[in-house]
Amino acid sequence: SQQGEEDPQALSIQEGENATMNCSYKTSINNLQWYRQNSGRGLVHLILIRSNEREKHSGRLRVTLDTSKKSSSLLITASRAADTASYFCATDGGSYIPTFGRGTSLIVHP
Amino acid sequence: DGGITQSPKYLFRKEGQNVTLSCEQNLNHDAMYWYRQDPGQGLRLIYYSQIVNDFQKGDIAEGYSVSREKKESFPLTVTSAQKNPTAFYLCASSISTSQETQYFGPGTRLLVL
Repeated sequence: SQQGEEDPQALSIQEGENATMNCSYKTSINNLQWYRQNSGRGLVHLILIRSNEREKHSGRLRVTLDTSKKSSSLLITASRAADTASYFCATDGGSYIPTFGRGTSLIVHP
Repeated sequence: DGGITQSPKYLFRKEGQNVTLSCEQNLNHDAMYWYRQDPGQGLRLIYYSQIVNDFQKGDIAEGYSVSREKKESFPLTVTSAQKNPTAFYLCASSISTSQETQYFGPGTRLLVL
């Protein structure tokens, strides 16, 4: 089934730096979502971007979507140690049922 | 305090035993989902339900069963037919399957003795 793939698999940065992670997918979508998961916990929804949108912002988060390249990026600006988590993209493949990638593990060093 | 709860947090299964994971939500959501997460992996969909008394198989339904007798509850049974059940199980809900934002429970970690 359709699945987004995040890149890189792991990212290690210093506090204050920006973190960028990417998601590529295979088939047309209605929307793409980004979720965050702290170790051993459930996922928390961050942002949803629809196929007719190109960019969305939420606080320190910026998401872009390029449907021609079938890719999205999540930018976290001015990272904090509390941003340490795994980040997943979820795509619906046109079915409205999201399928998840394997995630990017982000470590922000104080 | 609205939310989605899962119990237990940890569950141990013996060989040949069926175990049931609980998922309850008080968000008045129609749709509910069960996912399995293996270490370093993404989430894989086991079953989902769009409405009471209805559910659909996901990508990895074999060895699992569900019921949806009440809107608030969507229990998952891991049967003895599931040969590799050790994983982290996540339940989620959404207003409907066309309202895509999902709200997740804290998860249940299932271990085999």
